[in-house]
Amino acid sequence: DADVTQTPRNRITKTGKRIMLECSQTKGHDRMYWYRQDPGLGLRLIYYSFDVKDINKGEISDGYSVSRQAQAKFSLSLESAIPNQTALYFCATSDPERGEETQYFGPGTRLLVL
Amino acid sequence: SQKIEQNSEALNIQEGKTATLTCNYTNYSPAYLQWYRQDPGRGPVFLLLIRENEKEKRKERLKVTFDTTLKQSLFHITASQPADSATYLCALDIVGGFKTIFGAGTRLFVKA
Repeated sequence: DADVTQTPRNRITKTGKRIMLECSQTKGHDRMYWYRQDPGLGLRLIYYSFDVKDINKGEISDGYSVSRQAQAKFSLSLESAIPNQTALYFCATSDPERGEETQYFGPGTRLLVL
Repeated sequence: SQKIEQNSEALNIQEGKTATLTCNYTNYSPAYLQWYRQDPGRGPVFLLLIRENEKEKRKERLKVTFDTTLKQSLFHITASQPADSATYLCALDIVGGFKTIFGAGTRLFVKA
C-alpha cells in the first residue's frame, strides 16, 4: 500500500463551490505539506504543518485553508473555487528530526474548476 | 530575489549517452540540495540528497555535484535508458529554513 494517499484523484467542480482534498500518510511523519503544480511553474507551497497543533502559510495560501485532524491526516479546502485554482495538487510528508529530510509525495489530485 | 533555475527546454539524448541536468540558485545559503524524478501525472520521487559540505554523491548510474561557490548543482545519468525519460526537479533546503524550495524541472527524453 502507498505511504501517502490522496483523495480524490480527479475532481471537476464549478466556480464558487467549496471542495476538500484529503491526504493520509502511514509513514508516521510529523511534517505534512500541500503543494500545487502548474506547467512551467514547478511546485509551489500552499500550507505546511509540523505537527497537529501547528499550521503555517506557504507562498500561495490565499483562497485555501487546511486542517490537520491527526498526525496522519492533512486536508486542503478551497472555500470558493475559482478557475485559476485549476492545477495538480500534491500532499507530501517529511520528518527531518528523524533523519527523513526527503519529502514523500502522494499521487496527486487533478482539479478542474469550470 | 531568491530563485532556483533549471533549464526549461527539454533535453533530448541518445540511449547510452550521459545526460547532464543543471540547477542554479541565487541568494540562498543552502543546507542541502535534493533531486527528484517526476513522471507525467504522478508525484515526485526522491533520488539523491547532497549536503552543502559535500562535493559529489553517487547512486548506481546517478551522480550529483554541488558547488556552493558557483551556486550550482549538476545531475548526471550515465548510460541513459529510455526508461530514464521523465522530468527531474531540483530542490533546495536553506540553512535555518523550514521548507523546501523546488525548481520547475527539466524534461529529459532518452531515445532508443
